[in-house]
Amino acid sequence: EAGVAQSPRYKIIEKRQSVAFWCNPISGHATLYWYQQILGQGPKLLIQFQNNGVVDDSQLPKDRFSAERLKGVDSTLKIQPAKLEDSAVYLCASSPAGRISGANVLTFGAGSRLTVL
Amino acid sequence: QQQVKQSPQSLIVQKGGISIINCAYENTAFDYFPWYQQFPGKGPALLIAIRPDVSEKKEGRFTISFNKSAKQFSLHIMDSQPGDSATYFCAAAPGGYGGATNKLIFGTGTLLAVQP
Repeated sequence: EAGVAQSPRYKIIEKRQSVAFWCNPISGHATLYWYQQILGQGPKLLIQFQNNGVVDDSQLPKDRFSAERLKGVDSTLKIQPAKLEDSAVYLCASSPAGRISGANVLTFGAGSRLTVL
Repeated sequence: QQQVKQSPQSLIVQKGGISIINCAYENTAFDYFPWYQQFPGKGPALLIAIRPDVSEKKEGRFTISFNKSAKQFSLHIMDSQPGDSATYFCAAAPGGYGGATNKLIFGTGTLLAVQP
């Protein structure tokens, strides 16, 4: 099966500019996640969708970050305006469901690396 | 209390040796402990996972050891190979099987280099 697709792979912007990342999950996966991975740290969940509804966005800096998952398939994550501390890899992941089980494995995309100058 | 502390930050092992990565947690509600492997330029991928009803789980050369009383768990890679060179993340979540995936907390990662 095809994996989780993300684009762009790399993006360099100046602070206060805006950027958008796109994710196409594995076909049929109801649950989609956006994680932020800062260099030297583990992934941190920003937002989780179940179909096109938000399950958890408690760690999303809502003053500058927004995300949507229209039609319950693709998703976009937007940052506006960007800050220096937003430099990170933004990982999209998907899973069949939102509950942990042996079969419900999170599959991650390769990520989008953002550098804010 | 929500953190998962991982050590060492980096590890160099000779080919054929044993790689050991340790994690510790405080939240006694955690009861699902997966390990993820991440190669450069790729996303993390689930390697192996354990629940606290067992003290050890082995899959091929990879073994998770779990010490519930000490609130620690570790990954052992036997007969380490250069192809194992990657960053390894431990993680933890409450609720075990059936728990919510949004509660998964990752450690800070260990960069493993296996020298030929």
